[in-house]
Amino acid sequence: EVQLVESGGGLVKPGGSLRLSCAASGFTFSSYSMNWVRQAPGKGLEWVSSISSSSTYIYSAESVKGRFTISRDNAKNSLYLQMNALRAEDTAVYYCAREYSSSSWFDCWGQGTLVTVSS
Amino acid sequence: EIVMTQSPATLSVSPGERATLSCRASQSINGNLAWYQQKPGQAPRLLIYGASTRATGIPARFSGSGSGTEFTLTISSLQSEDFAVYYCQQYNNWPPFTFGQGTKLEIK
Repeated sequence: EVQLVESGGGLVKPGGSLRLSCAASGFTFSSYSMNWVRQAPGKGLEWVSSISSSSTYIYSAESVKGRFTISRDNAKNSLYLQMNALRAEDTAVYYCAREYSSSSWFDCWGQGTLVTVSS
Repeated sequence: EIVMTQSPATLSVSPGERATLSCRASQSINGNLAWYQQKPGQAPRLLIYGASTRATGIPARFSGSGSGTEFTLTISSLQSEDFAVYYCQQYNNWPPFTFGQGTKLEIK
């Protein structure tokens, strides 16, 4: 069974840092591009960042560029999101999502981890 | 950036009836559109990709159509479990991947 499990969320003060993780199982992790998508409370979905299967290509939304860094460890079947200089508007549930093939839809999502930025 | 606009924001439909949800792209995205369903407290679930292909395990009452800039998700006979929020997403021109703001399908 394909499974994605996020962890690392929590309460952090503005300006602080947090590292999210996503553990993948049930598929060949190293063959897929992966993404982070977030959802602020009561709001819609916002794509955050994407990383190709071998980390060659990395893209991020303008809203997080220079503050968030996506990475992966294929040996550990894990995806990461390092979040620095956090702002109140970064408060959201963060989902990791598998990209079916390069430049395509997201066919599998984790259950999400909540990040709250507040003093 | 391609802007995706969904309508209506909220749709009230009775069980057993048909629901039609719309999604418009600010420029042509060919057929590179996906639909997702999200229930409260749950992650989004892929329903449709390539504008009209149902994902694995998705019932036949869900159908997608359209190309270019205008797309439609139709649920032919609403079941109780279909009441949720639906999002469209384009993957034709990225980054960024962009989503519509969602349509909430509620029981009438």
